[in-house]
Amino acid sequence: AQSVSQHNHHVILSEAASLELGCNYSYGGTVNLFWYVQYPGQHLQLLLKYFSGDPLVKGIKGFEAEFIKSKFSFNLRKPSVQWSDTAEYFCAVRLTEGGSQGNLIFGKGTKLSVKP
Amino acid sequence: EAGVTQFPSHSVIEKGQTVTLRCDPISGHDNLYWYRRVMGKEIKFLLHFVKESKQDESGMPNNRFLAERTGGTYSTLKVQPAELEDSGVYFCASSPYWAARRTDTQYFGPGTRLTVL
Repeated sequence: AQSVSQHNHHVILSEAASLELGCNYSYGGTVNLFWYVQYPGQHLQLLLKYFSGDPLVKGIKGFEAEFIKSKFSFNLRKPSVQWSDTAEYFCAVRLTEGGSQGNLIFGKGTKLSVKP
Repeated sequence: EAGVTQFPSHSVIEKGQTVTLRCDPISGHDNLYWYRRVMGKEIKFLLHFVKESKQDESGMPNNRFLAERTGGTYSTLKVQPAELEDSGVYFCASSPYWAARRTDTQYFGPGTRLTVL
């Protein structure tokens, strides 16, 4: 079965530190890739997405992610985190072929705590 | 434009009781999805409506779960009877077009936290 792995359960950083959250998926076909974020007390919001084209995608709030097809990876990065980036981050994959009906397959999430 | 809304935000029930969760998608969205996150686990797909029809219910855990989408608008997810393992956060998401279900962005509601005691 297809799965998504997020390598870190909880990441703690100081403000201004650089961030990289890992995401790998297991599926050999064409996929759409997403990062969602859930700030404390809020709903899941789309941070960025990759459908096709330039594998380096830029999202909101200074986040970016790079799709590396050969590594089945879609890591999330931010050069300098802020206290307001404290949240839980979810990587998700959507299959675009075969019997896929459009549902998302999520990783377990990574909690990011940024110390002021 | 109003986002996806869910009601209630929290529900605490005892094992064996019935609970009904409601989701109001963004107006005009064909696709409505239910997901669930059990504590410590990943968010998992439950089912997908296209308008009023169930398109894919492969993620529904068992027949204690019943979902409906009245007139292609709001949806309800009923759990009857509830068991301890049903505790978790139930998310609803919607996206605009059936034909573009593999390329649409899904917009999520705030979730309903269900606790079964």
